[in-house]
Amino acid sequence: EPEVTQTPSHQVTQMGQEVILRCVPISNHLYFYWYRQILGQKVEFLVSFYNNEISEKSEIFDDQFSVERPDGSNFTLKIRSTKLEDSAMYFCASSVYSGDEQYFGPGTRLTVT
Amino acid sequence: SQQGEEDPQALSIQEGENATMNCSYKTSINNLQWYRQNSGRGLVHLILIRSNEREKHSGRLRVTLDTSKKSSSLLITASRAADTASYFCATDLTGNQFYFGTGTSLTVIP
Repeated sequence: EPEVTQTPSHQVTQMGQEVILRCVPISNHLYFYWYRQILGQKVEFLVSFYNNEISEKSEIFDDQFSVERPDGSNFTLKIRSTKLEDSAMYFCASSVYSGDEQYFGPGTRLTVT
Repeated sequence: SQQGEEDPQALSIQEGENATMNCSYKTSINNLQWYRQNSGRGLVHLILIRSNEREKHSGRLRVTLDTSKKSSSLLITASRAADTASYFCATDLTGNQFYFGTGTSLTVIP
């Protein structure tokens, strides 16, 4: 069964460094999303992406964040200058259509020291 | 805020019993989805119910939606130890983002 994959599973970085989190959505899906979950807290929406453009973004998704679909399969989230409070699980998701079931990847645990 | 809020926050039942979790939200939605998350793992999609639907079934899962009360419930029948997880509702306002609640932690005791 097709699934969303994410790499790496765990990323440790120093404050101020740039990180790129990678996702491979399900191949026939058209809509892509990033969420984050700080330890012990709820899942928070970051950004949605369709047709090579950001569809919507939350107030969390500030200028330090960017997303890209560099090729036909990968979907990346870049954090330019990480802060301690960026430590969280980052989940990628994809769906066929807008408003459809979203399928989540296993997540990348980002630890900023 | 659009956030869904689940209750109870925690639920502990014996294997074989039914588990009911509730979700309330604040504004009109396109659809509502339920997800399961095992500790430290990703989110697994369980069921989607659209705003014009009142009830959906999937295996041992039954979801209801009452748009007049802005609430939904998830019923798991004949629970198993493997159902132990956190359950979240996620509300979709625009079709492009979901707001997750804080979740119900379900423990099924063998």
